[in-house]
Amino acid sequence: DTAVSQTPKYLVTQMGNDKSIKCEQNLGHDTMYWYKQDSKKFLKIMFSYNNKELIINETVPNRFSPKSPDKAHLNLHINSLELGDSAVYFCASSQDVAPDRAPDTIYFGEGSWLTVV
Amino acid sequence: GESVGLHLPTLSVQEGDNSIINCAYSNSASDYFIWYKQESGKGPQFIIDIRSNMDKRQGQRVTVLLNKTVKHLSLQIAATQPGDSAVYFCAETITDSWGKLQFGAGTQVVVTP
Repeated sequence: DTAVSQTPKYLVTQMGNDKSIKCEQNLGHDTMYWYKQDSKKFLKIMFSYNNKELIINETVPNRFSPKSPDKAHLNLHINSLELGDSAVYFCASSQDVAPDRAPDTIYFGEGSWLTVV
Repeated sequence: GESVGLHLPTLSVQEGDNSIINCAYSNSASDYFIWYKQESGKGPQFIIDIRSNMDKRQGQRVTVLLNKTVKHLSLQIAATQPGDSAVYFCAETITDSWGKLQFGAGTQVVVTP
């Protein structure tokens, strides 16, 4: 069983389009994340949600809008796609994240390869 | 800004030898460190972690060492196998950051027969 699953795995789209990436975790975790990995394989956090509430927003353009309908899902919607948005987007989740507690293991999905042409 | 970095972008290791991957961090407030393995076309996979109150932790064929004095982290893989070929990332975080991980640049490990 896949713990953190993302769809689609591959997405090729034209500049200016709007697209969404969906993520679901079946681990019962409270916290979900979106990370972006660029062409040099550098991984950087974009967003984090804890129990459907946004807790981290790392200076991401407002064309990117995460949505968490419930704590098992965190979707990423991207408006007006630009060439620089081409990257691999990873969803992740962890349990028991809180500001006064040491973090638990963060589990990553398989990634969504976005290519903007 | 503060960052996590790796000394070697590519490490070539002969099968059966031990591998050592190094990582330098500069945020003295970091208190939790993790090593991830990323195989081609897949997401980062948790290998082993260590908290700042420890200086060594062992797993199956892997050992993580933490030297807080010089802000250095290393991952040792014993008896490296072809399946160990991947990109390895160190990541750091601090307890009050809601699990926000800051990743290093990654080291490509290539296992040769």
